[in-house]
Amino acid sequence: SQKIEQNSEALNIQEGKTATLTCNYTNYSPAYLQWYRQDPGRGPVFLLLIRENEKEKRKERLKVTFDTTLKQSLFHITASQPADSATYLCALSFSGGYNKLIFGAGTRLAVHP
Amino acid sequence: EPEVTQTPSHQVTQMGQEVILRCVPISNHLYFYWYRQILGQKVEFLVSFYNNEISEKSEIFDDQFSVERPDGSNFTLKIRSTKLEDSAMYFCASQTDPKEQYFGPGTRLTVT
Repeated sequence: SQKIEQNSEALNIQEGKTATLTCNYTNYSPAYLQWYRQDPGRGPVFLLLIRENEKEKRKERLKVTFDTTLKQSLFHITASQPADSATYLCALSFSGGYNKLIFGAGTRLAVHP
Repeated sequence: EPEVTQTPSHQVTQMGQEVILRCVPISNHLYFYWYRQILGQKVEFLVSFYNNEISEKSEIFDDQFSVERPDGSNFTLKIRSTKLEDSAMYFCASQTDPKEQYFGPGTRLTVT
């Protein structure tokens, strides 16, 4: 069956450390893998997109890797801050001009001062 | 910065009633979506809309659901006869290349 799995437990880290979140998928062949941030009661906010032929993408303190052989993406937040505390969603999308996002359940990140 | 807006922010309705959720996507976007998120669960795709027609819909999007873009700016989701299990946050999203989607703040639908 098709699955997207993210760290099910909340991730607690100290301010200034690097947070690493994992997204694994089974029986999908995504063209794109995207990461979104969701705060309680709010809509997802786009952070980064990586294509199937890319290994790594960076944006400011964020880095994402994509391994289509392992069917895994890692999402890193360096020099984490309490304001980074949120739920982070992994989403797969597929080739074609209009395409739905298939979301994982998300990982809740708490950054402590 | 342009953003997707949704109204109302919270809608309470009785089982069996019709509801219309409204969205104003970002103006130059071409692809529009509705998702829902039941409390504590993952965001689920409902329907995508392009060129004034549905391009894909999920199993959740049955005959009770419909979408419309009546005037070139609004994008609506109608639920004809609400059920208790329709209670959820409903998110509208719009997209242009290269594939990221921009979500609205959501409408919390409570069916009693």
